[in-house]
Amino acid sequence: DAGVIQSPRHEVTEMGQEVTLRCKPISGHDYLFWYRQTMMRGLELLIYFNNNVPIDDSGMPEDRFSAKMPNASFSTLKIQPSEPRDSAVYFCASRHGQGNIQYFGAGTRLSVL
Amino acid sequence: AQKITQTQPGMFVQEKEAVTLDCTYDTSDQSYGLFWYKQPSSGEMIFLIYQGSYDEQNATEGRYSLNFQKARKSANLVISASQLGDSAMYFCAMTNYGGSQGNLIFGKGTKLSVKP
Repeated sequence: DAGVIQSPRHEVTEMGQEVTLRCKPISGHDYLFWYRQTMMRGLELLIYFNNNVPIDDSGMPEDRFSAKMPNASFSTLKIQPSEPRDSAVYFCASRHGQGNIQYFGAGTRLSVL
Repeated sequence: AQKITQTQPGMFVQEKEAVTLDCTYDTSDQSYGLFWYKQPSSGEMIFLIYQGSYDEQNATEGRYSLNFQKARKSANLVISASQLGDSAMYFCAMTNYGGSQGNLIFGKGTKLSVKP
């Protein structure tokens, strides 16, 4: 079974540009999570979905960040406009509703110049 | 509020030796889960082991075991017979089952270096 798939693996963009990160969860998993990892703040939850519905977006830093899950097999995290302080590794993870384990994708390393 | 504390920023261990990575947690919930993840230099987050708060026995997965001491609120990871490939960052994490079914709270991590 394929794991959580994220794309792109690396993204370099200039300040002010729109950035879209993509995630395909493990088939059959009904929870999807977006995390951000930085040296200063470590790993922190941005938002999570259950059955494609956003449940908790209290970790989204500001209105420049938005996330969608149009169907069970796809989610996006968008930053518009991007700023240098958004540079981080963004992880997507998924979990089955009856399970305990969150499985992570390989992450997207974002650099905003 | 939930909190995970990992007090060892870095650890060294000799190949084939055992090593214990410390983790303490804080929560007021009775139902919670504790996790360890490994992050090698390539960057991915790899699940290692899970312990539920009501599990009476310590979890084991191959060379990994979780030393769960509920009264002390500790969930230390023990790696037996260290291998060079064990060199990585290790994160302890927890989730509460009483309320939100969502987020993992992570510690700051411990960087393990295995010496040949």
